Amino acid sequence: GDSVTQTEGLVTLTEGLPVMLNCTYQTIYSNPFLFWYVQHLNESPRLLLKSFTDNKRTEHQGFHATLHKSSSSFHLQKSSAQLSDSALYYCALYQGGRALIFGTGTTVSVSP
Amino acid sequence: NSKVIQTPRYLVKGQGQKAKMRCIPEKGHPVVFWYQQNKNNEFKFLINFQNQEVLQQIDMTEKRFSAECPSNSPCSLEIQSSEAGDSALYLCASAGTGEQYFGPGTRLTVL
Repeated sequence: GDSVTQTEGLVTLTEGLPVMLNCTYQTIYSNPFLFWYVQHLNESPRLLLKSFTDNKRTEHQGFHATLHKSSSSFHLQKSSAQLSDSALYYCALYQGGRALIFGTGTTVSVSP
Repeated sequence: NSKVIQTPRYLVKGQGQKAKMRCIPEKGHPVVFWYQQNKNNEFKFLINFQNQEVLQQIDMTEKRFSAECPSNSPCSLEIQSSEAGDSALYLCASAGTGEQYFGPGTRLTVL
């Protein structure tokens, strides 16, 4: 079945350093949607990035990701982490009308 | 920003009691999803609707859980007889043709 893999459970870094979160997926569908959601403490997930176009970079709020269908990847990057980026990040796979398939999530902790 | 509305934000029930939560999807979004996020932050899909019809649901939903999305009324998720293991954040999401947007959730605590 469909699945999403996030290899890092916890990422700790100092403010100002770059961050990259890995996301790979498996699906039988040829045109999946891939999303990154961010969930701050005591809040619900908020959509951060989305893509269904191969090899096209998508950006929002300083974060960016590129869907690569050849490697089934959708890694999240930011060039300079901020304290407010501390949160849970989920990569998710979606095929229209069906439930989201979430990765296990990566906790990002940014310190001064 | 999401315009999905969920009520109540917090719900406390005793074991065996009914627990009911509601969701108003974003205007124009025909598809509504219910997920459960447990204390380990793991998501479990429960059920989804397109307009008023069930698209998919898991086996658990067929037993103690019931849900509906009537026209011109909020969608609802009800647990007929709450168990301690049902304590979780219940998230409603709505979708148009693409991405899903989540409401703030209903945090259920079963004592």
